[in-house]
Amino acid sequence: QVTLKESGPGMLQPSKTLSLTCSFSGFSLSTSGMVVSWIRQPSGKSLEWLAAIDWDGDKYYNPSLKSRLTVSKDTSNTQVFLKITSVDIADTATYYCARSHSSYPLYWYFDFWGPGTMVTVSS
Amino acid sequence: DTVLTQSPALAVSPGERVSISCRASEGVNSYMHWYQQKPGQQPKLLIYKASNLASGVPARFSGSGSGTDFTLTIDPVEADDTATYFCQQSWNDPTFGGGTKLELK
Repeated sequence: QVTLKESGPGMLQPSKTLSLTCSFSGFSLSTSGMVVSWIRQPSGKSLEWLAAIDWDGDKYYNPSLKSRLTVSKDTSNTQVFLKITSVDIADTATYYCARSHSSYPLYWYFDFWGPGTMVTVSS
Repeated sequence: DTVLTQSPALAVSPGERVSISCRASEGVNSYMHWYQQKPGQQPKLLIYKASNLASGVPARFSGSGSGTDFTLTIDPVEADDTATYFCQQSWNDPTFGGGTKLELK
């Protein structure tokens, strides 16, 4: 079955770089049409799509955060990474990775999600 | 950004029918999707492309709409449906609504 799981530092200081890992099983990111996205949710608030990487290595970013984001995947196509530079308190949130299964962004709904990893930015 | 607007909260009695609305700031064709999120859990896909039931989701859930106005309907509501419901569009870069918290009377 499809599972995803996020991991991260838990807490980091303002101005640092946040590094997140999404480890998944039950599908391969080398399979045509597969896409993994990063989505975050501050406590008690709504969801914000951050970035995505598809089976072909194409990368997509939220325009409002693009300058700070880098998404990548490993060569075994079982992990996806996200780096966010220059974090501040506003980046405090639960970070999720989620799967879509279409190469076309029009069809990007998220059918499987990880449980999320909470990240707190604090000095 | 395509802004999605949802009512913040609704309260219904078990057995009743409830409709949760989502309005888009611009037309998104039928590229609207719905999720259920319970406290402390990740979102769960309920409906994709406006009216298609996701795998394993009870038929009590249904979706409708196109363009700018969309509705998620639960009929009949059960106690386990207490959750926050989010809409999400994929016509442009994905955005989510603010969520509607469903409480049972």
